[in-house]
Amino acid sequence: AQKITQTQPGMFVQEKEAVTLDCTYDTSDPSYGLFWYKQPSSGEMIFLIYQGSYDQQNATEGRYSLNFQKARKSANLVISASQLGDSAMYFCAMREGSWSGYSTLTFGKGTMLLVSP
Amino acid sequence: EAQVTQNPRYLITVTGKKLTVTCSQNMNHEYMSWYRQDPGLGLRQIYYSMNVEVTDKGDVPEGYKVSRKEKRNFPLILESPSPNQTSLYFCASSLRGRKNTEAFFGQGTRLTVV
Repeated sequence: AQKITQTQPGMFVQEKEAVTLDCTYDTSDPSYGLFWYKQPSSGEMIFLIYQGSYDQQNATEGRYSLNFQKARKSANLVISASQLGDSAMYFCAMREGSWSGYSTLTFGKGTMLLVSP
Repeated sequence: EAQVTQNPRYLITVTGKKLTVTCSQNMNHEYMSWYRQDPGLGLRQIYYSMNVEVTDKGDVPEGYKVSRKEKRNFPLILESPSPNQTSLYFCASSLRGRKNTEAFFGQGTRLTVV
C-alpha cells in the first residue's frame, strides 16, 4: 500500500489566490514527521515545511502552511497569495519513527502546480 | 556553504558500460541516500547509509551498488547500466535520518542509457 498519496496530478491557480495541495499518509507508527518539498523546472529539491506528529500547532513558514488533520491522516499544503514562481512540482514525504532511530524519507508521486497571471 | 554535490549533472552512456555518480556532502551528516525520480512515480529510494560502512537496500536497489568509505561521500555505481535505468537521480543527506530531520538534496543527475 502506498504510504503517501497525492491525488492531484496537476493543479491550476491564478496569481494572488490561495491553493491547497492534498496529501494523505498511511502509518501505524504514532511518531512520524511529514515534509513538503518543491521541485521547480530547474530540477532541484527545495525543503518547504515540516510537521511532527506530536506537534500541537499546524506548521507555518511564510506563505506556506500545513493543514494537519491527524485523525484523517492528511497533511495538506496551503500556499497563500500564489506567485508565478510557485509553479513547480510539489512532493509530500514522510519519515516514520524506527527502532534504529534512522528512517527512510518516503515520497508521494507529486502534484504539478501551475500559477497563471 | 552547506551543500550536497553530485557529479555529473548530465550523463549519456551506452548499455553495459560501468559508471559512477559521485555524491559528497559538507555538513557532517550521518545519513545519506540515493533516489531515482521517474514521471508519475515520484522519488523512490535506491540505497541508504546510516554511517560509514553501513549501507542497506531501499525500495529499488536492483542494478545498483553503493559504498560509504568516508562520511562525506556516497557514490552510486551502475555496474552494467540498462535503458530502464534512464532516470533523474538524487543524492540526499540528513543529520541522522531521524523522523524530524529534513533531507538536503544534491542538484540531481540526469542519466540516459542508450
